[in-house]
Amino acid sequence: ETGVTQSPTHLIKTRGQQVTLRCSSQSGHNTVSWYQQALGQGPQFIFQYYREEENGRGNFPPRFSGLQFPNYSSELNVNALELDDSALYLCASSLFLAGEGTDTQYFGPGTRLTVL
Amino acid sequence: AQRVTQPEKLLSVFKGAPVELKCNYSYSGSPELFWYVQYSRQRLQLLLRHISRESIKGFTADLNKGETSFHLKKPFAQEEDSAMYYCGATTDKLIFGTGTRLQVFP
Repeated sequence: ETGVTQSPTHLIKTRGQQVTLRCSSQSGHNTVSWYQQALGQGPQFIFQYYREEENGRGNFPPRFSGLQFPNYSSELNVNALELDDSALYLCASSLFLAGEGTDTQYFGPGTRLTVL
Repeated sequence: AQRVTQPEKLLSVFKGAPVELKCNYSYSGSPELFWYVQYSRQRLQLLLRHISRESIKGFTADLNKGETSFHLKKPFAQEEDSAMYYCGATTDKLIFGTGTRLQVFP
């Protein structure tokens, strides 16, 4: 069983730039969720993807967008980067079954984004 | 608004002492409750969830709907329990508290 992987591990960008973070879900999982974890805070839900469509979104502006691919991997895109976007970005995969809801989420190691 | 509160940023105990990490939630409906743990240099991982009613690594958590609490307990702390602990709740999206750092001294 392959766990959740994320790339890159670290990234440095400047204000106004755009960034793409990648996540490969655990085998057998069909749902991917993205979280932002600022220093000293708990993970904050950004959005979730299921069947290649956004399936729930937290309190984040539209410049945070995502994709899910047929193999269930996912990307998080952030446009017009701001200094406050500096954080650890976590991806989590899970299995959603209709009528049963979403099972436990399994987290990746995260991508550390620094915006200068 | 949906909210998970962990009032303690840091909890320090000696090995063998009892531990209780507090978690309160504010939710409409009946959320599912979780505890996640993050050991040093490791990824966030599930410790336990209330629906399974398991005891993992000696930890238990009881859901108290009247007090809207889901406190994590262990009767005898071990040094290897030192970690960040996050309480989470979900009806559709998983919301975390700010976390409590548990330090267990020898």
